[in-house]
Amino acid sequence: DAGVIQSPRHEVTEMGQEVTLRCKPISGHNSLFWYRQTMMRGLELLIYFNNNVPIDDSGMPEDRFSAKMPNASFSTLKIQPSEPRDSAVYFCASSLGGIGNEKLFFGSGTQLSVL
Amino acid sequence: GENVEQHPSTLSVQEGDSAVIKCTYSDSASNYFPWYKQELGKRPQLIIDIRSNVGEKKDQRIAVTLNKTAKHFSLHITETQPEDSAVYFCAAGGSNYKLTFGKGTLLTVNP
Repeated sequence: DAGVIQSPRHEVTEMGQEVTLRCKPISGHNSLFWYRQTMMRGLELLIYFNNNVPIDDSGMPEDRFSAKMPNASFSTLKIQPSEPRDSAVYFCASSLGGIGNEKLFFGSGTQLSVL
Repeated sequence: GENVEQHPSTLSVQEGDSAVIKCTYSDSASNYFPWYKQELGKRPQLIIDIRSNVGEKKDQRIAVTLNKTAKHFSLHITETQPEDSAVYFCAAGGSNYKLTFGKGTLLTVNP
């Protein structure tokens, strides 16, 4: 398996533009997580899906952020409109189960810069 | 919710010395404590984990200890090597799906 695959690796956009980040979890994994990493706040959980269903989106900063998981092999995180403070590295991660005590496999991340 | 504090934020050691990173957590229901290593520009990767029914776990030069009474756990790296240089994150979880991460420790091993 190629692991968790994220695209794009880097995204540079202007304030106000829509940004879509993509993730393909490891085949057979039932749980998918979106994290945001910044120097100030570290790794923050944005949203968690289990069996394609959003279980907890309390970490999503505001209505400008939305996430979907239309099937077991694909998820998107969308920011509309984007703002400079959204600049961060966004990681997608998957795990076999969903009970919080299993190894997380992270993707390579998307480095987002909003100018 | 869970709160994880990690210290120190930066640590510099000489090659061959030991390094210790400490974390405390707040939720007594947490029972799973992993450590992730993130090299510059790379993804976090699990290096070792411990569950609440165990007090210590070793894997070659890496060991983790857990004190559930005091709610703290530590990562110990012996005989450090330059390739150990990275950011290390502790985390706590297990009572639900969430893993709460510490802020990370930048470890620099000087040749």
